[in-house]
Amino acid sequence: GAVVSQHPSRVICKSGTSVKIECRSLDFQATTMFWYRQFPKKSLMLMATSNEGSKATYEQGVEKDKFLINHASLTLSTLTVTSAHPEDSSFYICSASMRSGSYEQYFGPGTRLTVT
Amino acid sequence: LAKTTQPISMDSYEGQEVNITCSHNNIATNDYITWYQQFPSQGPRFIIQGYKTKVTNEVASLFIPADRKSSTLSLPRVSLSDTAVYYCLVVSTGTASKLTFGTGTRLQVTL
Repeated sequence: GAVVSQHPSRVICKSGTSVKIECRSLDFQATTMFWYRQFPKKSLMLMATSNEGSKATYEQGVEKDKFLINHASLTLSTLTVTSAHPEDSSFYICSASMRSGSYEQYFGPGTRLTVT
Repeated sequence: LAKTTQPISMDSYEGQEVNITCSHNNIATNDYITWYQQFPSQGPRFIIQGYKTKVTNEVASLFIPADRKSSTLSLPRVSLSDTAVYYCLVVSTGTASKLTFGTGTRLQVTL
């Protein structure tokens, strides 16, 4: 149980285009989802917290207009990288929590984004 | 959020027991200690969580002294497949608990 999937697993896009990454909780309802970014050989950095039906809360330094997050249902959250640039190339990982206030998070397999 | 400090890297031979210690001097009363494992190009995987004393599951043991200012993850008889980065996190049981990942410990297991 508690499986989280991400799609796509790997994407290459041209500079200036937008890319959407999906995060799905397959066997549970996720009231809260989190989006992380991880550069090579670095730790995970939390980008934003997404609650179903409300606006995402972004961490300091993360541009909300560049990284659009939508959490329209209890099983799906999307991250759209708008006007991507090579420096946005990274490993994007989502996690999901079953209920509000829960400290248990289940991570997706990650999405490797390469911007050329 | 309590900050954690753990060794950057460790090396071990296959079959040995590996102990990774994490310090979290500012841990609060409501905080739990959680360990995650991450393989390259994969999302982190939950290993174990504890509040105090000792917790054991099929994968690892977690030792937490009475003052809770540190914790030790113990991996019995590691194999090559245990080569990964191990993260120690202090997690608050408050609302929408955010996870703050530190540098992690890169464990390399060799023959």
